[in-house]
Amino acid sequence: KAGVTQTPRYLIKTRGQQVTLSCSPISGHRSVSWYQQTPGQGLQFLFEYFSETQRNKGNFPGRFSGRQFSNSRSEMNVSTLELGDSALYLCASSLAINTEAFFGQGTRLTVV
Amino acid sequence: DQQVKQNSPSLSVQEGRISILNCDYTNSMFDYFLWYKKYPAEGPTFLISISSIKDKNEDGRFTVFLNKSAKHLSLHIVPSQPGDSAVYFCAAIPTVSGGYQKVTFGTGTKLQVIP
Repeated sequence: KAGVTQTPRYLIKTRGQQVTLSCSPISGHRSVSWYQQTPGQGLQFLFEYFSETQRNKGNFPGRFSGRQFSNSRSEMNVSTLELGDSALYLCASSLAINTEAFFGQGTRLTVV
Repeated sequence: DQQVKQNSPSLSVQEGRISILNCDYTNSMFDYFLWYKKYPAEGPTFLISISSIKDKNEDGRFTVFLNKSAKHLSLHIVPSQPGDSAVYFCAAIPTVSGGYQKVTFGTGTKLQVIP
């Protein structure tokens, strides 16, 4: 079955702009999580959605937001981009609690 | 507050030898642990997991050990192969209810297997 799909794969934006990233989870998975990966910081948890509701949120400013649709697809939005937002943004989906998360290939965002 | 720590950012091992990657955690509510492997420009892929009711789980060349009293887990790769060169993340999931989970990841250890 198809894996987690993230679009776009690469993105270049300028400071002050906003960006929307998309994630389509594995069919049947209702939980979608977003992570930011930067060198030396590992995977930093952004937020998690389950059945269109945000269940958990990491320690990121309000410029980072997300949503989940009824078909479990999720979008992440970052407004007023800063240079420090340059990172690999990863989406992961999972079926239920205590099961492994399956990751997409990520979206590489570069802010210039 | 880093609840899951991988104190070694990098590790080099000769091909054929054992690779041991370590992970420490602080939250006693964590009861399910996973290891992920990540190649550059790809998302992490699930490798192996262990529940807190076990102290060892083995899958081929990969074995994960869990020491709950020390809040420590390790991943052993035997024998190490050049294709194992990647960044390894440990992750932990707490006891939760309600049909959702929050996975906490460590900062990763870059493994290089030297031919």
